[in-house]
Amino acid sequence: NADVMQNPRHLVRRRGQEARLRCSPMKGHSHVYWYRQLPEEGLKFMVYLQKENIIDESGMPKERFSAEFPKEGPSILRIQQVVRGDSAAYFCASSPFGGDPIPPFGPGTRLTVL
Amino acid sequence: QKEVEQDPGPLSVPEGAIVSLNCTYSNSAFQYFMWYRQYSRKGPELLMYTYSSGNKEDGRFTAQVDKSSKYISLFIRDSQPSDSATYLCAMSDENAGNNRKLIWGLGTSLAVNP
Repeated sequence: NADVMQNPRHLVRRRGQEARLRCSPMKGHSHVYWYRQLPEEGLKFMVYLQKENIIDESGMPKERFSAEFPKEGPSILRIQQVVRGDSAAYFCASSPFGGDPIPPFGPGTRLTVL
Repeated sequence: QKEVEQDPGPLSVPEGAIVSLNCTYSNSAFQYFMWYRQYSRKGPELLMYTYSSGNKEDGRFTAQVDKSSKYISLFIRDSQPSDSATYLCAMSDENAGNNRKLIWGLGTSLAVNP
């Protein structure tokens, strides 16, 4: 896999539903960053994970948001009981090692909450 | 005060013009400086990456970092309509260990008119 993959590319949820966003890193990459891009607010760091470990979740909202990166499979960003303010583009980036300053980004998932 | 300030524009220039894009920052620990290009509804794409101070040139693009003034610039020579996009500056802190989470500017919207 030459690129960072994210799916779905577009996700529509009603208020109160759950949203699951998936990020498949490039082959051999074991570190993932998640970012959120809100209208008029720019990109903001959410969480940094290594396989099976959360390294930095300082940018995650305290409630309803969680992230994981299991030993096998993609990284998952989970948003429970979505609200309209969660509507945004969510991007992930992956790197093969810690300290890589320029991890490539995926194409993003655009979440719309009705 | 935001850690990274960037004028959102929009900036409109004729084809062939030299474009200057800028960001200022407040955290003196930032050592990695990046410029990304983002087309509408796409993920950020790395354009230029500079470590610490100095200039870097790649084709029509030149990145400059002035750490004494906490000011970074991106110059685009001979601008083309295909350069029309949003340009985002991003930075990371060398003191954060292996955590290379990026702090972003808001992005400057650029339109190059044929």
